[in-house]
Amino acid sequence: GENVEQHPSTLSVQEGDSAVIKCTYSDSASNYFPWYKQELGKGPQLIIDIRSNVGEKKDQRIAVTLNKTAKHFSLHITETQPEDSAVYFCAAKGQGGKLIFGQGTELSVKP
Amino acid sequence: NAGVMQNPRHLVRRRGQEARLRCSPMKGHSHVYWYRQLPEEGLKFMVYLQKENIIDESGMPKERFSAEFPKEGPSILRIQQVVRGDSAAYFCASSPRDSGLITDTQYFGPGTRLTVL
Repeated sequence: GENVEQHPSTLSVQEGDSAVIKCTYSDSASNYFPWYKQELGKGPQLIIDIRSNVGEKKDQRIAVTLNKTAKHFSLHITETQPEDSAVYFCAAKGQGGKLIFGQGTELSVKP
Repeated sequence: NAGVMQNPRHLVRRRGQEARLRCSPMKGHSHVYWYRQLPEEGLKFMVYLQKENIIDESGMPKERFSAEFPKEGPSILRIQQVVRGDSAAYFCASSPRDSGLITDTQYFGPGTRLTVL
């Protein structure tokens, strides 16, 4: 079935350091991969997404890379700030348009 | 441009009661998805609807759960005879009409947190 694995489940970094979160997906037909940030008590907020026709996309301090052959995609946050602390979810678009989510990564940025 | 709206934000029900969760998509969006998030877990797809049509309900429990998206008004997720295991956060997301091969982003609402006593 359709599945997305996400690692690590928790990540603690010092302010200013980089953070990397990795995901793998099972359905080779997936062609859209969004990343969401979820703060406590709130809904997921889209922070960046990538489509299968590109290998990398960057938006200020956030970048996403995609390796379709290996079915891996990763989120990179540079120059982390305390306000980056949240739970981050990767997702892959599955059959019929639904999103298949990873289990989430709780990122803690220590000042 | 208002985002996806959900109400109520918090809902408390006793076992056996009914829960109705409402979702108003972003203006111009005709696709609605419902997801459930259990404590300390990721989001799980439940159902995908367009106006007056259920497109994919493969993630819906077979009993007690139903969803609709009428021609007028919000999308409704209805849970009959709630049990404690239904306690979770329920999120809806909306996306605009598909445009050929381009897949569209899903924008999420703030969620409804259901507690079953």
